[in-house]
Amino acid sequence: QVQLVQSGAEVKKPGASVKVPCKASGYTFTSFTIHWVRQAPGQRLEWMGWINAGNGDTKYSQKFQDRVTITRDTSASTAYMELSSLRSEDTAVYYCARGRKAMDVWGKGTTVTVSS
Amino acid sequence: DIQMTQSPSTLSASVGDRVTITCRASQSISSWLAWYQQKPGKAPKLLIFDASTLERGVPSRFSGSGSGTEFTLTIGSLQPDDFTTYYCQQYKTYPSTFGQGTKLEIK
Repeated sequence: QVQLVQSGAEVKKPGASVKVPCKASGYTFTSFTIHWVRQAPGQRLEWMGWINAGNGDTKYSQKFQDRVTITRDTSASTAYMELSSLRSEDTAVYYCARGRKAMDVWGKGTTVTVSS
Repeated sequence: DIQMTQSPSTLSASVGDRVTITCRASQSISSWLAWYQQKPGKAPKLLIFDASTLERGVPSRFSGSGSGTEFTLTIGSLQPDDFTTYYCQQYKTYPSTFGQGTKLEIK
């Protein structure tokens, strides 16, 4: 079945970076976009950016423009989201989701905790 | 950025009730709107896209309508599994943005 598998929880110190993988299976990876969405505790969903898994084009939210990098490895059917210069406000669950527009398949999320 | 505002933020209802949640966009988004259901500790689940198209496998008691700046999600006859949180999302322009959520509670 179509699924996106994400890694487990990460704990990072302020100023560090985190790279979250998202492995796709059950469909042709390069035919879809992968979005990254985060949700801080008790907050609404927040879109961070996407990558066209076919040609590698990316688009980022201006809020994260200078700190986020989304990449993909087509041989591994895996997308990655790297967030740098972490601060406590980045503590959240980070989701990857498939979709050209609306997001029809979601990973279970990776919890990233930023704490000294 | 386009602001998405849902109302109400909390809705109390009973099993079998028909309920409607509203989502308003700060500018026209045509029909580029999706609705998601999210249960505690879980990822969102797509219910409706393009404002009114039911995602495959979603029960027909869910329906969506609207265009431009005002949209609604209607649940025709509430089931116990439906009491959770719902979000709208616009994808007309990036950054894509979500509403603040509507929590559906048992009365």
